[in-house]
Amino acid sequence: DIQMTQSPSSLSPSVGDSVTISCRASQNIDTYLNWYQQKPGEAPKLLIYAATGLRSGVPSRFSGSGSGTDFTLTIISLQPEDFATYYCQQSYTTPTFGQGTKVEFK
Amino acid sequence: QVQLVESGGGSVKPGGSLRLSCAASGFTFTEYYMNWIRQAPGQGLEWISSVSYSGAQILYADSVKGRFTISRDNAKNSLFLQMNSLRAEDTAIYYCARAINAYQSWFDPWGQGTLVTVSS
Repeated sequence: DIQMTQSPSSLSPSVGDSVTISCRASQNIDTYLNWYQQKPGEAPKLLIYAATGLRSGVPSRFSGSGSGTDFTLTIISLQPEDFATYYCQQSYTTPTFGQGTKVEFK
Repeated sequence: QVQLVESGGGSVKPGGSLRLSCAASGFTFTEYYMNWIRQAPGQGLEWISSVSYSGAQILYADSVKGRFTISRDNAKNSLFLQMNSLRAEDTAIYYCARAINAYQSWFDPWGQGTLVTVSS
């Protein structure tokens, strides 16, 4: 299986900050990388598909980049509703997820 | 609107069985792969199984292979997961999720999840 490693595991930004979450694959996955947001007690929701595609309805402050093994989720001007856990997921082969990055209030 | 609603979760003893269901609505069910993904309490996400449009192609994670069986009823827009020989480590919220394909795709949307607890 392809291993996905996210960093950091958690961060505590302030509202209005820009946030960058990294995701590294154990082998080349081209651009088959997706990002999800999960809030407590809720199911995950798709944010970014195929590394850079913004899902319809997702605010434009979210963006994704990367290819091969290194990927990034960026949130510009963090809003209160963005405090959540974020997961990357590769779909190059049998799906696997990163361990998650918790974005919590400082 | 596109909706997935899971049911069938509950408490079961180790070695027991449970059958989960996922009712789909708001889209053409036969045009999508369907998946089960689970999340142990306080833990991350683990994909466990997928089934193709007709049900002919099925994939399982090694952690559930031989114990769990995925199936679908396209006439009833429903997805199922038969779970046998349950273990404590199967305790999790089980989500169903839609995808375009088995690979090179993404999960969207997800159901609200159903909790399975395996404990003596």
